[in-house]
Amino acid sequence: KQEVTQIPAALSVPEGENLVLNCSFTDSAIYNLQWFRQDPGKGLTSLLLIQSSQREQTSGRLNASLDKSSGRSTLYIAASQPGDSATYLCAVAGSQGNLIFGKGTKLSVKP
Amino acid sequence: DAGVIQSPRHEVTEMGQEVTLRCKPISGHNSLFWYRQTMMRGLELLIYFNNNVPIDDSGMPEDRFSAKMPNASFSTLKIQPSEPRDSAVYFCASSLGDIIGYTFGSGTRLTVV
Repeated sequence: KQEVTQIPAALSVPEGENLVLNCSFTDSAIYNLQWFRQDPGKGLTSLLLIQSSQREQTSGRLNASLDKSSGRSTLYIAASQPGDSATYLCAVAGSQGNLIFGKGTKLSVKP
Repeated sequence: DAGVIQSPRHEVTEMGQEVTLRCKPISGHNSLFWYRQTMMRGLELLIYFNNNVPIDDSGMPEDRFSAKMPNASFSTLKIQPSEPRDSAVYFCASSLGDIIGYTFGSGTRLTVV
């Protein structure tokens, strides 16, 4: 059974810092991996989607990497801003398209 | 496209009552997913459909939960009878295979008192 773990559970950094969020999964037979952002009381917003054949994806200040063989992904946020404060969720997709989520990393960026 | 539309946004009901949550996926998407989010357990997949057919309902917690997708543009998640431990945010998501990824609705916050 696929399990997704995110470390750390919470992170507080000063504005301007570069930071890395970690995600690990137990079954490397994944279809793709997605990173989502969730603001308090809101739904999920897709940030980056990495296909199983890809190694990384970039969008603006965000860069996500995928190492299937080791069951790991990282989300790199450059020059963090207070507006980046949210919970970041990692999810892996199986062959049927179902997503399995980690419990998230709650990020707080202090001005 | 208006995205994935869920209704109601908030629902407060008494224990024992029937609750029906509704979802309209993005037009053209062929997969639909129901998730439940709680502080303790995070996001859990309850059931998903592919081309309106239920593929895996192993995440449905009990027989009190049922889901239907009568056509490509509508799905319901029903809880009967509801219990306080069902209180959570229920999300619906749709996708078109693994290429486009997933789009989530804004969720229904259910409170059972």
